[in-house]
Amino acid sequence: RKEVEQDPGPFNVPEGATVAFNCTYSNSASQSFFWYRQDCRKEPKLLMSVYSSGNEDGRFTAQLNRASQYISLLIRDSKLSDSATYLCVVNDAGGTSYGKLTFGQGTILTVHP
Amino acid sequence: GAGVSQSPSNKVTEKGKDVELRCDPISGHTALYWYRQSLGQGLEFLIYFQGNSAPDKSGLPSDRFSAERTGGSVSTLTIQRTQQEDSAVYLCASSHSPGGGTFSPLHFGNGTRLTVT
Repeated sequence: RKEVEQDPGPFNVPEGATVAFNCTYSNSASQSFFWYRQDCRKEPKLLMSVYSSGNEDGRFTAQLNRASQYISLLIRDSKLSDSATYLCVVNDAGGTSYGKLTFGQGTILTVHP
Repeated sequence: GAGVSQSPSNKVTEKGKDVELRCDPISGHTALYWYRQSLGQGLEFLIYFQGNSAPDKSGLPSDRFSAERTGGSVSTLTIQRTQQEDSAVYLCASSHSPGGGTFSPLHFGNGTRLTVT
């Protein structure tokens, strides 16, 4: 089983749609979780951190379910500029693994007019 | 300020040759990561350096791969006796401290595209 698993998509949605991505992780000791965004042929950049109580940043909402080892990202009112690959990232904790960041394979989103 | 710098940006090598990839992290960043990304795939963790601690080498795919970080700054990833399956984009990232999130996001370089013929 992969350490971090995502539905690779692709998701093709019209502008204005709401879309949700899921991610599961295998290490129950993982402490920190993030969503990164990678545009085509570009390097990944941090989109947002994921907090235990859930958090919003504008049109983006991230949620964490530790019991199910599950993370989600919801994008409301999709824009053309949201088209990218969304990467789920998990920070393993404990011992020498602290700080090791494991990326999922990414979910491709295409927003069309 | 200057971002993470990687060199070369592209490298074509023959199977069996050794290659060295270089990463200059952002000044003052204590954490440094190497990942590789094959076409259409996610990022595969290779190795992680944090300050003076022993690196986490758990992602290195074989003993042909090694990396070092001199003086807590520049890092070199070496691949010996390259194979065709080593072809990928090798990405280096640094962060102010271990984390990856809001207070210590990863800053990635543009990567080195390695092609083994």
